[in-house]
Amino acid sequence: EAQVTQNPRYLITVTGKKLTVTCSQNMNHEYMSWYRQDPGLGLRQIYYSMNVEVTDKGDVPEGYKVSRKEKRNFPLILESPSPNQTSLYFCASSYREGQPQHFGDGTRLSIL
Amino acid sequence: GNSVTQMEGPVTLSEEAFLTINCTYTATGYPSLFWYVQYPGEGLQLLLKATKADDKGSNKGFEATYRKETTSFHLEKGSVQVSDSAVYFCALTGTNDMRFGAGTRLTVKP
Repeated sequence: EAQVTQNPRYLITVTGKKLTVTCSQNMNHEYMSWYRQDPGLGLRQIYYSMNVEVTDKGDVPEGYKVSRKEKRNFPLILESPSPNQTSLYFCASSYREGQPQHFGDGTRLSIL
Repeated sequence: GNSVTQMEGPVTLSEEAFLTINCTYTATGYPSLFWYVQYPGEGLQLLLKATKADDKGSNKGFEATYRKETTSFHLEKGSVQVSDSAVYFCALTGTNDMRFGAGTRLTVKP
């Protein structure tokens, strides 16, 4: 089954404690992306990757890092989380840029 | 830069009512346009798409037409069901750019 898998689905943590949200896709997609969803703001792109070892900033990259060492994986790293990063996060992938994206089920992060 | 504006919700309808959710966009070039649907506790799923002017995307009874002259991509359905209750997002993709609207929550009552 084609899918994008995110882990964890829920996480409550404290300010400053580094965390990683993993994302994996099994469709051999080149393009992967991270979004955050906040009420009234829709989805905003954090980072995207056109292919292995190619990443670029989206609209709201501050406080986040990503890496793309393998085609299937695209982890999101919060080195020093802060309360304003409390949000619902989605990973997505597509065959290439501009194509419809497949989304994971989301990760709800709460930073206290 | 590119942007998408959706009608604000929430929208509440009775079963079998007609649905319209307005979406307008601002873009340079020729973006592709999408409607995604998000059911509770899930990620977004592609509902329909259109890649050029005058294209009509359709799926599950929903339709939207890419109108370049009015820069619009309104979502319509002739008769909604309770199972259509969800949040709907209009989106566009251009070069190195993916933009989503704020989302419109639809609730359909029996």
